[in-house]
Amino acid sequence: DVVMTQSPLSLPVPLGQPASISCRSSQSLVGSDGNTCFHWFQQRPGHSPRRLIYRVSNRDSGVPDRFSGSGSGTDFTLKISRVEAEDVGVYYCMQCTHWPPITFGQGTRLEIK
Amino acid sequence: EVQLVESGGGLVQPGGSLRLSCAVSGYTFNNNAMTWVRQAPGKGLEWVATILRDGSGKFYVGSVKERFFISRDNSKSTLFLQMNTLRAEDTAIYYCVTGHWLDYWGQGTLVTVSS
Repeated sequence: DVVMTQSPLSLPVPLGQPASISCRSSQSLVGSDGNTCFHWFQQRPGHSPRRLIYRVSNRDSGVPDRFSGSGSGTDFTLKISRVEAEDVGVYYCMQCTHWPPITFGQGTRLEIK
Repeated sequence: EVQLVESGGGLVQPGGSLRLSCAVSGYTFNNNAMTWVRQAPGKGLEWVATILRDGSGKFYVGSVKERFFISRDNSKSTLFLQMNTLRAEDTAIYYCVTGHWLDYWGQGTLVTVSS
């Protein structure tokens, strides 16, 4: 199974400052078809998760452009250009290139410093 | 607007069974795979099972194989999860999610396994 490792696990950030979360996979997420099935999710306190970024760098509908995703192979990054209060929550990375099983990272808790 | 509404959760004793349902609207249900993801209290996300659009393929995380069974009724846009021989470690919120890219999520239903 592909292991997804996020860092940091806790991320205190002042309002208006940038934030960055890293996710590494135990093997390359480039599939035999050349595509990379890797997504980022946000879970606000008391809410269901929602997908933010799909296929590494594509923002889902309604996601503010301060969120961006990048990376390739085994190393991926989620960046928030300027953190806002509504960004508080837990962020998860996920891979579906080598499934089953679909695997998630442990989650990164973002809080306002 | 895509809506997923789970039901069927509750308190059950170890060794018992539950059947979860998920009614889907605003989505091309019969053209897409469907997935269950769970989250134990205070923990992260865990993929549980996925069923292909026509039910021809069903995939499970190892810890639930032979105990949980995913199914669907395309005529009613409804997803199911039959959970048997439940254990304390199955206690979690169970989310119904579209596709295996996990586009849209329901609000979840809480399953508590305890005596």
